[in-house]
Amino acid sequence: GALVYQYPRRTICKSGTSMRMECQAVGFQATSVAWYRQSPQKTFELIALSTVNSAIKYEQNFTQEKFPISHPNLSFSSMTVLNAYLEDRGLYLCGAGTTSAETLYFGSGTRLTVL
Amino acid sequence: AQSVTQPDARVTVSEGASLQLRCKYSYSATPYLFWYVQYPRQGLQLLLKYYSGDPVVQGVNGFEAEFSKSNSSFHLRKASVHWSDSAVYFCSANSGTYQRFGTGTKLQVVP
Repeated sequence: GALVYQYPRRTICKSGTSMRMECQAVGFQATSVAWYRQSPQKTFELIALSTVNSAIKYEQNFTQEKFPISHPNLSFSSMTVLNAYLEDRGLYLCGAGTTSAETLYFGSGTRLTVL
Repeated sequence: AQSVTQPDARVTVSEGASLQLRCKYSYSATPYLFWYVQYPRQGLQLLLKYYSGDPVVQGVNGFEAEFSKSNSSFHLRKASVHWSDSAVYFCSANSGTYQRFGTGTKLQVVP
């Protein structure tokens, strides 16, 4: 079956520091990877959509300078939260699929706490 | 603009009672439709999905959803809820770009 693993599951960082989270697809080719953030008591906001061999598309209010993403192959993606502050806390979900139009398989997320 | 709306932020039902969670979408063409569940402090689990065909789709744990093109809706149902169904449920749609989520409905099942 198709599985998506995210790590770390939880992380704590000091305000102003950066942290990197990873997403691993198993059992299928992750042509598209979407990164979402769920802030406390909110829904899932799309940060960016990455397709292998194409430019990464960031949504409004999210930038490459703040959330650089790497998607080097069909099984792996990473995203870094640079210069994290309190408003960056939340659950970061990676959703991967063979195309952006089909079902995305989600990992369990990386929960970021900023002190 | 494309959107997914879940009008009920919270729903409380008694254990053993039936359940309906509402979802409406606004897209120029019928998108792919999904329901996910999020248990406390966990990620998303897919309950069911609709691409085309029979408007009633069956999912895991006794959940089903009915697609209505005329109402632009995709409501989730369960005939008899269990206390373990308490969670947040998200409706989602994908028109070929990315999956957009509703704001979620928190379900509380009481004795």
